[in-house]
Amino acid sequence: KAGVTQTPRYLIKTRGQQVTLSCSPISGHRSVSWYQQTPGQGLQFLFEYFSETQRNKGNFPGRFSGRQFSNSRSEMNVSTLELGDSALYLCASSLRGDTNYGYTFGSGTRLTVV
Amino acid sequence: GENVEQHPSTLSVQEGDSAVIKCTYSDSASNYFPWYKQELGKRPQLIIDIRSNVGEKKDQRIAVTLNKTAKHFSLHITETQPEDSAVYFCAASGAYNTDKLIFGTGTRLQVFP
Repeated sequence: KAGVTQTPRYLIKTRGQQVTLSCSPISGHRSVSWYQQTPGQGLQFLFEYFSETQRNKGNFPGRFSGRQFSNSRSEMNVSTLELGDSALYLCASSLRGDTNYGYTFGSGTRLTVV
Repeated sequence: GENVEQHPSTLSVQEGDSAVIKCTYSDSASNYFPWYKQELGKRPQLIIDIRSNVGEKKDQRIAVTLNKTAKHFSLHITETQPEDSAVYFCAASGAYNTDKLIFGTGTRLQVFP
């Protein structure tokens, strides 16, 4: 079966712009989580969605937002981009959303802000 | 707050030797501890996990141990091979009914032939 699909794979944006990233989970998976990966900070938790509801949010500014659709696909949006937002954004899906089965990660979207 | 510390940040071993990576977590409610391997330019992949009701779990050359009292868990890789070279991340779960994971900062393992 298809894995977790993230689009686009690469993105270059200018400071002040906004960006939307997309994540399609494994078919049947209802939980989607997003992480920001940077060389110095590792994987930092952004959001968790389960059945279209945001269940958890990490310590990121309000410029970072997300949502989940009825088909479990998820999007995250970053407004007013800053240079420090340059990172690999990973989404992960799981079947039940209670950490009993572990994540499957997508390949990520590499965002570069110039 | 929630925190996972991981050591060492880099680890170099000779092929055939063992490698050990250690993590400490802060949230006593954590009950699930996965380990992920990330090769250069690729996605993190789950290699082994352990739950709080188990002290040790083994899968071929990899094993994980958990000491809930001390809030420590470790990854052990025996008979290392060059293809084990990657960045390894430990993680700890939040409370029940959530997928949120708190990750360590990663260990870059290099296995020299």
